[in-house]
Amino acid sequence: AQSVSQHNHHVILSEAASLELGCNYSYGGTVNLFWYVQYPGQHLQLLLKYFSGDPLVKGIKGFEAEFIKSKFSFNLRKPSVQWSDTAEYFCAVKPRGGSARQLTFGSGTQLTVLP
Amino acid sequence: ETGVTQSPTHLIKTRGQQVTLRCSSQSGHNTVSWYQQALGQGPQFIFQYYREEENGRGNFPPRFSGLQFPNYSSELNVNALELDDSALYLCASSFRTENTEAFFGQGTRLTVV
Repeated sequence: AQSVSQHNHHVILSEAASLELGCNYSYGGTVNLFWYVQYPGQHLQLLLKYFSGDPLVKGIKGFEAEFIKSKFSFNLRKPSVQWSDTAEYFCAVKPRGGSARQLTFGSGTQLTVLP
Repeated sequence: ETGVTQSPTHLIKTRGQQVTLRCSSQSGHNTVSWYQQALGQGPQFIFQYYREEENGRGNFPPRFSGLQFPNYSSELNVNALELDDSALYLCASSFRTENTEAFFGQGTRLTVV
């Protein structure tokens, strides 16, 4: 079975600081990778996704992530955070092929951006 | 807005009772998945429905059951509620294709007292 680790449980940054959130997964096969964001009181929203091709993917709101297959990692980055980025961020994986089509999520990283 | 709607948004139940949560999937999506998100945790997969049949199940006991209807909407039923069932229950809809993303509803906050 697959698993996802997010090493940072709570990150506090000042506006304009750069952000990198770590995500590592454990699975022996090929996966699709996702980052979701959950703003306070709102539903989970997709930030970005990786299926195949260029391992550097760009998402909404200036976020990007890099898939490093050899490290089983899919870290999320943003060059300059804003107060409105305060939210909880979840990394998720979904195995490709077979019958297992569910998402496996990490435990999340709470990002607080100070104005 | 994702087009995935869940009802109710909040409810409070007593231990031992039964509860039914509802989900309307985004137009055209034929697959519905349910997740449980405990406080401070990531969502945990409960089960998935496709063509009105359960198509995958996580590590949840049989008292968690579900249905999918011909219009692809879905229900999650939980019998014999326990205090640990208190959580946010999320519904996600998607197409049943390889490279696709899931769209989530706002969830139902269940409190068991």
